[in-house]
Amino acid sequence: DADVTQTPRNRITKTGKRIMLECSQTKGHDRMYWYRQDPGLGLRLIYYSFDVKDINKGEISDGYSVSRQAQAKFSLSLESAIPNQTALYFCATSAAGLAGHTGELFFGEGSRLTVL
Amino acid sequence: KNQVEQSPQSLIILEGKNCTLQCNYTVSPFSNLRWYKQDTGRGPVSLTIMTFSENTKSNGRYTATLDADTKQSSLHITASQLSDSASYICVVSSRLGFGNEKLTFGTGTRLTIIP
Repeated sequence: DADVTQTPRNRITKTGKRIMLECSQTKGHDRMYWYRQDPGLGLRLIYYSFDVKDINKGEISDGYSVSRQAQAKFSLSLESAIPNQTALYFCATSAAGLAGHTGELFFGEGSRLTVL
Repeated sequence: KNQVEQSPQSLIILEGKNCTLQCNYTVSPFSNLRWYKQDTGRGPVSLTIMTFSENTKSNGRYTATLDADTKQSSLHITASQLSDSASYICVVSSRLGFGNEKLTFGTGTRLTIIP
């Protein structure tokens, strides 16, 4: 079984619909992240969390919200999906490195979202 | 503005040949640089990490180099195999204080190995 599991793997929805992408991990890491990947662009950080009570905006958080339900679970919501949110979404985890440094990122398999 | 540029965007080589992928960055202050491999339809997987004091590091047929003075890194793949076909992503970390860190991702090099 994968250490970082994302559901659903693929989703097609319509403009204005609410969508939730879920992520669970068995690596025991405190830090969890949501990234978005678009063709021709590098991975961009949407939100991140360093523990259950910690939520932080990334560089492209507008239109998204997150919930850290437990150490192992981090979900991403699109309250009212729009076509330019069509992308490949990745959840990732990491352990804290030396002096609070981010360790290696462990990515899920990705969730491909299409908004029509 | 922190930037990471990778070249070439795409590369096609014959199985068994060697290749080198480039990563130039303008991230400051520099903390470390990682190379990730992303197979089609999968999430990225870390290949190696380079810190400021390291010039060369190998991981099997993969060898990464870092020149912190010129802000360049390379990933050399020796005796390529079909399974090396993937996108290779350069990620540079900039530390802004304890627990405050920014990762800047390159757009990747798409490598295709043909038999």
